[in-house]
Amino acid sequence: QKEVEQNSGPLSVPEGAIASLNCTYSDRVSQSFFWYRQYSGKSPELIMSIYSNGDKEDGRFTAQLNKASQYVSLLIRDSQPSDSATYLCAVNGAAQKLVFGQGTRLTINP
Amino acid sequence: EAEVAQSPRYKITEKSQAVAFWCDPISGHATLYWYRQILGQGPELLVQFQDESVVDDSQLPKDRFSAERLKGVDSTLKIQPAELGDSAMYLCASSFNGGTEAFFGQGTRLTVV
Repeated sequence: QKEVEQNSGPLSVPEGAIASLNCTYSDRVSQSFFWYRQYSGKSPELIMSIYSNGDKEDGRFTAQLNKASQYVSLLIRDSQPSDSATYLCAVNGAAQKLVFGQGTRLTINP
Repeated sequence: EAEVAQSPRYKITEKSQAVAFWCDPISGHATLYWYRQILGQGPELLVQFQDESVVDDSQLPKDRFSAERLKGVDSTLKIQPAELGDSAMYLCASSFNGGTEAFFGQGTRLTVV
C-alpha cells in the first residue's frame, strides 16, 4: 500500500463548477497535511495546509481532513481555467517525513 | 520575499559523468528536503535533513547518490556516475521545522544522454 494515494485523473470540470480532489494516507500518526499545485514544467506551489479535523477555507479553496478515515480532500469553488494543473497531496508522517501522492491532473473546461 | 534557491536550472550530462546540484533554503529553515520527480509522477523523497543531520535517506540510491548539508544551511546533491534513468526534475524544499509548511525551489531539470 502506498503511503499517500490519489486518483491520477485526469479530472475534467466545467468552468464555474466545484472541483473535488481526494487523498488517502496510510500512516495513522500523521499530523500535517498539505495541498500543492504544480503547473507543467514548474515546481510545486503550496496552496493549503491543514492540521486538525474539519474544514479550512482560504478564498476559493477548502481543505477537509478526517483523521479517523485517513482522508484529506481539496475543494475548488468557481473553477477557473487557470486552476488547470496537477494537484499534489502531501503528508507528514512518522519522523516528520514529508511524502507526496502521485498527483491528480485537473482540467477546467471553458 | 524569501525563496529557496537552486542551481543550475537545467543540466545536460553524459552517462557515467558526475553531476551536482546546489540548494540554499529559506533563511532560518532547519529542515531541507531533496526530491526527484519523474514526468507524470509525484515527487519522491530522496533525503531529508534536520539541520546537518540526515533524518531519512531510505530512498537514496547510495551506490551513486550522495547528499550533504555540512553547516546546516545550504546543501549539495551529487550523482556519480549518472545513468540514463536519472533524467528527472530534482527539487529542493525547506521548512521551518519538520511538520510545518515546506516551500520548493524552482528545481533542476537533469537530462542524461
